[in-house]
Amino acid sequence: KQEVTQIPAALSVPEGENLVLNCSFTDSAIYNLQWFRQDPGKGLTSLLLIQSSQREQTSGRLNASLDKSSGRSTLYIAASQPGDSATYLCAVHDTDKLIFGTGTRLQVFP
Amino acid sequence: DAGITQSPRHKVTETGTPVTLRCHQTENHRYMYWYRQDPGHGLRLIHYSYGVKDTDKGEVSDGYSVSRSKTEDFLLTLESATSSQTSVYFCAINEDGADEQYFGPGTRLTVT
Repeated sequence: KQEVTQIPAALSVPEGENLVLNCSFTDSAIYNLQWFRQDPGKGLTSLLLIQSSQREQTSGRLNASLDKSSGRSTLYIAASQPGDSATYLCAVHDTDKLIFGTGTRLQVFP
Repeated sequence: DAGITQSPRHKVTETGTPVTLRCHQTENHRYMYWYRQDPGHGLRLIHYSYGVKDTDKGEVSDGYSVSRSKTEDFLLTLESATSSQTSVYFCAINEDGADEQYFGPGTRLTVT
């Protein structure tokens, strides 16, 4: 059974820092991996989708990498801002379903 | 933003009453999903649909049923609500089952 883990569970950093969020999964036979952002009391916003054949994907200050063989993905956020404060979720596409990690709660303080 | 709406957005109901949540999409996507989100458990799949009248169970389907009579609507029914079904419910869509999923705004359900 596929299990997805995110470390750390919470992270607090000063504005301007570059940071890395980690996601690991137990079964490397995944189709894709997707990163989401969730603001308190809100829905999920898709940030990046990495196809299983890709090693990384970039959008603005965000860069996500995927290493299927080791069962890991990282989300790199450059020059963090207070507006980046949110919970970040990763999810693996297992055939036609998503399996989620429990998220990393990020706080960026001025 | 993907055209996904959920109704109602908030609902308080009593134990034992039936409840139906609605997800509506304007994207004409084939796949639709219902998740619940609970502290300590993250998001878990309840049911999903891969076409009109085609549905399948997810990880936490007990106590829930679904129906999809039109491409744009996916209904989640709690036949007899229990306090353990107090949660935030999210609908999601995508065109291909392994493609990028887009989420609705959520429905906060409280069962007293």
